[in-house]
Amino acid sequence: AQSVAQPEDQVNVAEGNPLTVKCTYSVSGNPYLFWYVQYPNRGLQFLLKYITGDNLVKGSYGFEAEFNKSQTSFHLKKPSALVSDSALYFCAVKNNAGNMLTFGGGTRLMVKP
Amino acid sequence: NAGVMQNPRHLVRRRGQEARLRCSPMKGHSHVYWYRQLPEEGLKFMVYLQKENIIDESGMPKERFSAEFPKEGPSILRIQQVVRGDSAAYFCASSEVGATSYGYTFGSGTRLTVV
Repeated sequence: AQSVAQPEDQVNVAEGNPLTVKCTYSVSGNPYLFWYVQYPNRGLQFLLKYITGDNLVKGSYGFEAEFNKSQTSFHLKKPSALVSDSALYFCAVKNNAGNMLTFGGGTRLMVKP
Repeated sequence: NAGVMQNPRHLVRRRGQEARLRCSPMKGHSHVYWYRQLPEEGLKFMVYLQKENIIDESGMPKERFSAEFPKEGPSILRIQQVVRGDSAAYFCASSEVGATSYGYTFGSGTRLTVV
């Protein structure tokens, strides 16, 4: 079985400061890892993915994520947060054999001016 | 490419009525997934379908809920005899065969309110 943990329900950060949203996963085989963002009253939007290659993945809106195999983590990062980054962020995982994505419980990011 | 289309965007039903939620997957996608999001909560998987087949319905409540993805037309999530606790946002996602490198594409959701 595959699973995703997002240990923080909410992350608060001041505008201009770096942000990190944590994600750890459990999956058999090689992991395919994803981050999605959800703005209020909207569906989920794809941010970035790790399939293979460089451990540091760059995505939309200046976000990046670092794949760490030994720690089974895929933390989302941004060097300088914007108020408009405030949203709900979901981490997801699948293995290279299956079709099903398993999502974490989500982390609400609040960026204060 | 219109993406994943869900309708209606908002649906109000009285207790005991039926709710039908529709999802047209992205062009070229043959896999459909339904998720439910309760207020202030994360996404809960409900069901995974391919054309004319239910692949995994482990997240579906045993009663009142059903889903289909016919050969022609959209996928339908049907909730019979709705209760207040069914009020939630229901999201549909689709993927190409194998959901390999691209994960899912999500629709904008249907927000069901049971009054």
